[in-house]
Amino acid sequence: AQSVTQPDIHITVSEGASLELRCNYSYGATPYLFWYVQSPGQGLQLLLKYFSGDTLVQGIKGFEAEFKRSQSSFNLRKPSVHWSDAAEYFCAVGEGGGNKLTFGTGTQLKVEL
Amino acid sequence: DAGVIQSPRHEVTEMGQEVTLRCKLISGHNSLFWYRQTMMRGLELLIYFNNNVPIDDSGMPEDRFSAKMPNASFSTLKIQPSEPRDSAVYFCASSPRGLAGTDTQYFGPGTRLTVL
Repeated sequence: AQSVTQPDIHITVSEGASLELRCNYSYGATPYLFWYVQSPGQGLQLLLKYFSGDTLVQGIKGFEAEFKRSQSSFNLRKPSVHWSDAAEYFCAVGEGGGNKLTFGTGTQLKVEL
Repeated sequence: DAGVIQSPRHEVTEMGQEVTLRCKLISGHNSLFWYRQTMMRGLELLIYFNNNVPIDDSGMPEDRFSAKMPNASFSTLKIQPSEPRDSAVYFCASSPRGLAGTDTQYFGPGTRLTVL
C-alpha cells in the first residue's frame, strides 16, 4: 500500500529565510505526487503536482518541489518565506490515475517576523 | 465559480443524533470525495464517487456512516447514530474528470462536527 511520511511535525523559520519541507513516499509504481496547503479554518489548496517529466516542479505562491526517485522524496522548497506562508502543508501520493490520494500527517509551518 | 460548498460549517450535536453533512460540487466536475480530518488520524479518505457512482467506500468507518449522490452536483454524508469519536472536520472535494486523468482535487472549507 502507498504511504507518505512527513518527518517534521512543526517547523519555524524567520521571514525571508529559505524553507524546505520534507516528504518521503512509498509506492510501487510511478507515483503521482502533490503538495497541498491548509490555512487555518480553510480547506486544502493545491500548491503543485508531479506526474512525469521534469523532476523540478513549479507551483503557486513561489513554491517548488523536486522529485527524487532514488530517495523516494518530494521535498517542497521556497527561497524566501513570507509571513502569509504560515499554514499546514500536506504531501500526498496518488494512485489509479492520481485521483485517490493518501496524505501525510502534515507539517505545521510557523513564520517568525 | 463559487468553489465547493459545504454546509453547515459547524455542527454540534448530542450522541445518538443523526447528522447530515452536505456538499455541492463545482459545476462540471464529476468526481466527489469525502475526507475526515482528526488530530489522531490526520486526513483520511472516506469514500469517493465518479459520475454519481460510489467507486471506493473502503474508508467508511462503519455502517453508521452513509454517503449518497442524489444528483450530479450534490452529495450528503450521514452519520446515524453519531458518537463522540465522530468529532472531526469533514471535507468534501471535487475534481473535473475523475478517474481518467490526473486531476486536481478542489476542497471545500469543511464542516467541523462536534458530538457531545
